[in-house]
Parts: sequence; C-alpha cells; structure tokens
Amino acid sequence: IAGITQAPTSQILAAGRRMTLRCTQDMRHNAMYWYRQDLGLGLRLIHYSNTAGTTGKGEVPDGYSVSRANTDDFPLTLASAVPSQTSVYFCASSVISGGAYEQYFGPGTRLTVT
Amino acid sequence: QKEVEQDPGPLSVPEGAIVSLNCTYSNSAFQYFMWYRQYSRKGPELLMYTYSSGNKEDGRFTAQVDKSSKYISLFIRDSQPSDSATYLCAMNFGGGADGLTFGKGTHLIIQP
Repeated sequence: IAGITQAPTSQILAAGRRMTLRCTQDMRHNAMYWYRQDLGLGLRLIHYSNTAGTTGKGEVPDGYSVSRANTDDFPLTLASAVPSQTSVYFCASSVISGGAYEQYFGPGTRLTVT
Repeated sequence: QKEVEQDPGPLSVPEGAIVSLNCTYSNSAFQYFMWYRQYSRKGPELLMYTYSSGNKEDGRFTAQVDKSSKYISLFIRDSQPSDSATYLCAMNFGGGADGLTFGKGTHLIIQP
C-alpha cells in the first residue's frame, strides 16, 4: 500500500544523545515536511523540503536538522536531544490538487527524552 | 495570540446529530483551508480542503469558509460513533509548498 512510513514507532532517548527519525514515501511527492505535536500546542512545522536538494525552516526549527538527498527520504536529526524535544513527530508529503498542496501524514514517531 | 484558534472541546453529541466544528484565524493572507481527522495515536487524515470562500460537500461532510469573517466550519451530518476523533483545521497561503498552520484540534465524541 502506497504511503508514508516512519521509523522508529517510539523511542526513549537519554538527553544529550543524537537521534535520527526516518521518513520514507513512495508516492513520488515533491514536497515533504516534519511536524511535532504537543498537548495544548497542536501541530507545528519544524522543517520542510519543496524538492530534493532543498530544505527550509518552519516555525520551530531549533535543535533539529534535515536533509533531502532524494525524492523519497526525509530524515530528521536531533543532534543533542533535550527533554523539551519529547513529542510526537509526524512526517508528511504533499501533492498539488486544484492549486492546493494536499498534505498526507505518516503514522508518527513517539519520542521521549529523559 | 495564535494565528488559528480552535475550541479543544471535548464536544459530545448523540449519534445522528449534526455536528458543527469551527476555527477562526487572524491572517487574511490564508487562501487554502483544510480539515483533518485524527484518531488516537494515529497520524492526521485529510478530510477536505477548500480554496478561498465558499462551501464544499463530500458525503456527510460539508466545509464552509467565510474569509470576510476569518471563520471556517466543518459540518458532519448523521454523525456516527466512528466519527469520534480529534478534528484539526489547517490553512496555508498557497502558491507554493509551504507548511500548514494548524488549530489545536477539537475532540469530538459521538455517543451511541
């Protein structure tokens, strides 16, 4: 079934450790995104990529980095995790439909930083 | 003040009722408006999107946008217990692959 896969499903991470969240899509969408979802704050954009080789910063980029080496993969790296990065992380990709960029979301990665 | 405001609920209604979910926003430059449904511990699922002002209907769901009031709505007719979820409004400026600005979501409970 076509869609977005994320790995790991969940992770407990010690503060100060490095962690890469993986995201792969098989829909050949040009644009991809990373969001974090926190209780009381909703979904917030971390980074995005309009096409392979380009990336941009969203609303809450500090402490995170991304790369887009090809169309399908968009990994998110936490260089030195801190407890405030405890969250649920969603990867999304988008296709143009009627002028709008319809975004489709993966199942999420639940990260706890201790 | 957050750009998109949405009552978190919970909103509890009996099965078969018409449900009205709403969001207000402050940035008049938003052009595209979406509604997502999110079940517990799952990713958001796109329900509908609307461009600018107007209505759009898809089965039991109707999305409505009033740009003059900066107000969007989602109506669910003949609500079912399977509609119980969190509903997120989202919007963006369009014209490019920019990210979405989300409301915090409304938790909806349909009582059998």
